[in-house]
Amino acid sequence: GEDVEQSLFLSVREGDSSVINCTYTDSSSTYLYWYKQEPGAGLQLLTYIFSNMDMKQDQRLTVLLNKKDKHLSLRIADTQTGDSAIYFCAEEFSGTYKYIFGTGTRLKVLA
Amino acid sequence: DAGVIQSPRHEVTEMGQEVTLRCKPISGHDYLFWYRQTMMRGLELLIYFNNNVPIDDSGMPEDRFSAKMPNASFSTLKIQPSEPRDSAVYFCASSPSGTGVTGNTIYFGEGSWLTVV
Repeated sequence: GEDVEQSLFLSVREGDSSVINCTYTDSSSTYLYWYKQEPGAGLQLLTYIFSNMDMKQDQRLTVLLNKKDKHLSLRIADTQTGDSAIYFCAEEFSGTYKYIFGTGTRLKVLA
Repeated sequence: DAGVIQSPRHEVTEMGQEVTLRCKPISGHDYLFWYRQTMMRGLELLIYFNNNVPIDDSGMPEDRFSAKMPNASFSTLKIQPSEPRDSAVYFCASSPSGTGVTGNTIYFGEGSWLTVV
């Protein structure tokens, strides 16, 4: 199937690290993405990782990719209240320009 | 640069009425996508176009839905007749072709929030 799975909710305290997990389906996906959706808005690209990488760090964001298990994670260091949003992982089916999004994880940051 | 522009931003319509959602992709982008977001089903790909040609419409829920892209700068998603279960946020997105350092990043519009009563 084409399901990309994520846990639905995550709650953390301000200043802690958040880890959002995703399981994707297509082992040949070229790129994997993380998008952020704030209330009432569209999705914005946060970061991406190429499939031949294991890790990518971008300021407070760290993406880990385990190709064997088809597992992707996003770690947000020093989580702030402004990070409260829904986070989507997405895979691009290789060579198709077809993107499949996960169900989204709603992150709530407690002050 | 202007992003992906969608209209209307909000629409409330009665069951049975025709609904037309509009999208202007980012200039120069070859790919255009229509997604639907609901609480129950998350973000679903409905259809996508490459160079104005529909490539994959397998996500279009039923014959009541149709999408067109008459030129590179405009696309519509039409629902006729609309039903309450069509209530959702409809996103248009566009992407340039080719794989650069950012992959095939897609850029989303702000969405059209549809309520069918």
